[in-house]
Amino acid sequence: DTGVSQNPRHKITKRGQNVTFRCDPISEHNRLYWYRQTLGQGPEFLTYFQNEAQLEKSRLLSDRFSAERPKGSFSTLEIQRTEQGDSAMYLCASSSSRAPGNTIYFGEGSWLTVV
Amino acid sequence: AQSVTQLDSHVSVSEGTPVLLRCNYSSSYSPSLFWYVQHPNKGLQLLLKYTSAATLVKGINGFEAEFKKSETSFHLTKPSAHMSDAAEYFCVVTDALSGGYNKLIFGAGTRLAVHP
Repeated sequence: DTGVSQNPRHKITKRGQNVTFRCDPISEHNRLYWYRQTLGQGPEFLTYFQNEAQLEKSRLLSDRFSAERPKGSFSTLEIQRTEQGDSAMYLCASSSSRAPGNTIYFGEGSWLTVV
Repeated sequence: AQSVTQLDSHVSVSEGTPVLLRCNYSSSYSPSLFWYVQHPNKGLQLLLKYTSAATLVKGINGFEAEFKKSETSFHLTKPSAHMSDAAEYFCVVTDALSGGYNKLIFGAGTRLAVHP
């Protein structure tokens, strides 16, 4: 068990460019989540997958954001036409509906800075 | 709707003294409550969780929390602070309307500083 892995850990991009983050959940975890954390705030829910199905998206997830989990394993979060307000840490988490307590495990996050 | 209020944005203690991080929650249902810790440039680590079993919950690294329904509180305590406890702490409640998949609602966080 290597934990939840996120790449890249840091990304600096110019406004208007597209960025993509990847998340590899703990193996056998069927649930995968994306959260966003801005400086001085707690993480906020963005979206949730059960296997390959995206079951809920927050209103925070504008049309410029898209998340996929094509084979029910790793997931990608793409932000198109980035804006300075997108600067934040993007956290991925996973859990198993089959595990007692359904504990959610977080990755170390991907920092995005839009300049 | 569920919500969490962490009453202190910063707490400073001396090494070896007790730690108290305060959290109040609002919930229309019997909530599940958690404390997570975040060290600089690290991911969130689960300290402990309450899921309607014992009201006094023991977690890792000597932390514990007590669920008090009458006060809608879930304060985090530790008898003796260690320098390595310096971090950001988040009180978290699940969204009971989330269909059982445990969407987490985070408080704004409390930054704990530990001085020698």
